[in-house]
This record gives sequence, structure tokens and C-alpha cells, in this order.
Amino acid sequence: DQQVKQNSPSLSVQEGRISILNCDYTNSMFDYFLWYKKYPAEGPTFLISISSIKDKNEDGRFTVFLNKSAKHLSLHIVPSQPGDSAVYFCAASADVIGSARQLTFGSGTQLTVLP
Amino acid sequence: GAGVSQSPRYKVTKRGQDVALRCDPISGHVSLYWYRQALGQGPEFLTYFNYEAQQDKSGLPNDRFSAERPEGSISTLTIQRTEQRDSAMYRCASSLGWGRGRYNEQFFGPGTRLTVL
Repeated sequence: DQQVKQNSPSLSVQEGRISILNCDYTNSMFDYFLWYKKYPAEGPTFLISISSIKDKNEDGRFTVFLNKSAKHLSLHIVPSQPGDSAVYFCAASADVIGSARQLTFGSGTQLTVLP
Repeated sequence: GAGVSQSPRYKVTKRGQDVALRCDPISGHVSLYWYRQALGQGPEFLTYFNYEAQQDKSGLPNDRFSAERPEGSISTLTIQRTEQRDSAMYRCASSLGWGRGRYNEQFFGPGTRLTVL
């Protein structure tokens, strides 16, 4: 069973417009959410995160929104730039006392920003 | 080193052979994780270590898979008697620790692409 779902495998956006990437989760124990960005031939790199005690976190052009009741989060990129073209993974983790937090990933969304 | 490194980057082996994949985490990172990523999917958790102790191996598919981190730094993921279904990208990640927030930010290596013929 997929606990973290990214239902859109791809998204194309014009440069300068907003990119919205969506992610849904099913495990109510998840309390920390992350977005990773991946370029070809590289490992995923951390982009932005949000704790379940918040509903929004902003870092420059990137904002993550969390809707706990809907078990949904989204990543907004404004304005989108061609260099943002990459695969974006949503990931989630649950707090386990005294233990590291394994990440559960979605299947990724390929974002293409068109010049 | 500056980032997580993995070797080899590519490994082609014949079915039935054993393989060992190496991960060198970021210096000072306490926690080390192994993930497996199939084509078109996100990374899937295999196992992790805090220092040299393997804390959770619930993601290892079967007993042909094992991992160690004897000195709390470099880790090796070993797959015995490889099968074609083991073909995947194997990724290693490390983090400062296991607390909340940024302590758990995981830094990923470039991965080892394993192909079992």
C-alpha cells in the first residue's frame, strides 16, 4: 500500500508562472513532511520541509502547504524557472522515540518549466 | 567528504553472484540509511543505522540482504545470490541525527545502479 501518493507523474508550466505539485498521504502517524528535488544522475536533494504543527512554510520561491484534515500537502514554486525542471519527491516521516526517521517517499512528479 | 559518496556507481553482475555496495556518509553524520529505488518510483526504505548499531532492518526484502556499519562511518550493503528482481538503484543517505526537524534532514548519495543479468 502506498502511504504517500503523488498522482501526477508529470507537470509542465510556463516560465514565470506558478508550479503546484501535490501529495497525499494515508498514515495519520506522519508528522514531518519533506520535498526533495532530483536532477538526472544525481541523488535527491532536500528542498523544504514542514512539521505537522504548521500549515505553511516558506523559503524564497518555495512554499509548502499542509492540510492535515485532508492529509494533503502541496509545493508551490513562484515564479517557476527553467532550472526548476526536475523530479520532485514528496516524503513523510513519523516520530518514533529514540529512533531515526525513515522517510516514506511518493513516486515523484517530473516538473518541466518551459522557457 | 563534502557529500555522501557511493561506490561503485554502476554494477553489473550475473544472477547468483554476491555484491557489496559501499556508502561513505558525510563526516560526523550519526544516522545512515539505505534505500532502494525502482524506475519511476521514489526511494523505498531498507534499513538504517545510528552510529554502528543497526536500528531497523524491517525494509530488507529477505535474508539475502544484509548491511553493516562496523565503525559507525562507512556502511556496506551486501546482497547474496543476486536475482534479476534485485536490479534497481540503491541509495544511501545520512543525517546529523535523529531528532526533529533539520537533524533528520537526509542527504542522499548518487546511488549505485545494480543490474543483475
